[in-house]
Amino acid sequence: DAGVIQSPRHEVTEMGQEVTLRCKPISGHDYLFWYRQTMMRGLELLIYFNNNVPIDDSGMPEDRFSAKMPNASFSTLKIQPSEPRDSAVYFCASSWSTDTQYFGPGTRLTVL
Amino acid sequence: GIQVEQSPPDLILQEGANSTLRCNFSDSVNNLQWFHQNPWGQLINLFYIPSGTKQNGRLSATTVATERYSLLYISSSQTTDSGVYFCAVPNYGGSQGNLIFGKGTKLSVKP
Repeated sequence: DAGVIQSPRHEVTEMGQEVTLRCKPISGHDYLFWYRQTMMRGLELLIYFNNNVPIDDSGMPEDRFSAKMPNASFSTLKIQPSEPRDSAVYFCASSWSTDTQYFGPGTRLTVL
Repeated sequence: GIQVEQSPPDLILQEGANSTLRCNFSDSVNNLQWFHQNPWGQLINLFYIPSGTKQNGRLSATTVATERYSLLYISSSQTTDSGVYFCAVPNYGGSQGNLIFGKGTKLSVKP
């Protein structure tokens, strides 16, 4: 398997623009997680899905953030409108049950 | 929610040395994972170890769930071991899949 795939790897945008991050989990995994990593807050879980259904979105910082998982092989994290404080590395991870989590390479987002 | 503390925060080793990293957590857990984030930012899962001891090459981990800590041992360290090591446990104030990460131990292995 190719592992967890994320795109884009880098995104630079201006404040107020919409940003969409994409993730393809490992085939057969039934859990998908979105994390954000910053120097100040470290690694924090934003939301996770089980069998395409959002289970816990308590980490989503604001209504500007939304995530979807329309099928077992694709998920998006959208920020609209983006702000400079959203600049971070966003990771997607997947797992079989709540077992070992496998992380994608991350998307480095810079909002100017 | 559960608290996760890692020590030491920073560690500098000469190549070939051994080290022990510690992870303390504030409540009972049935899921603990160790990760390595390499200097390029990639997060790699090292161990899924809710209890007991596991070994993978030069790395091994032990979790003593009853005493709420886990240890990661690195033997004969190599420069490629450099990076940040995280432990993570479920936040039962949330739900099973909600992992809480420690702040990490930054390891630098010098040649």
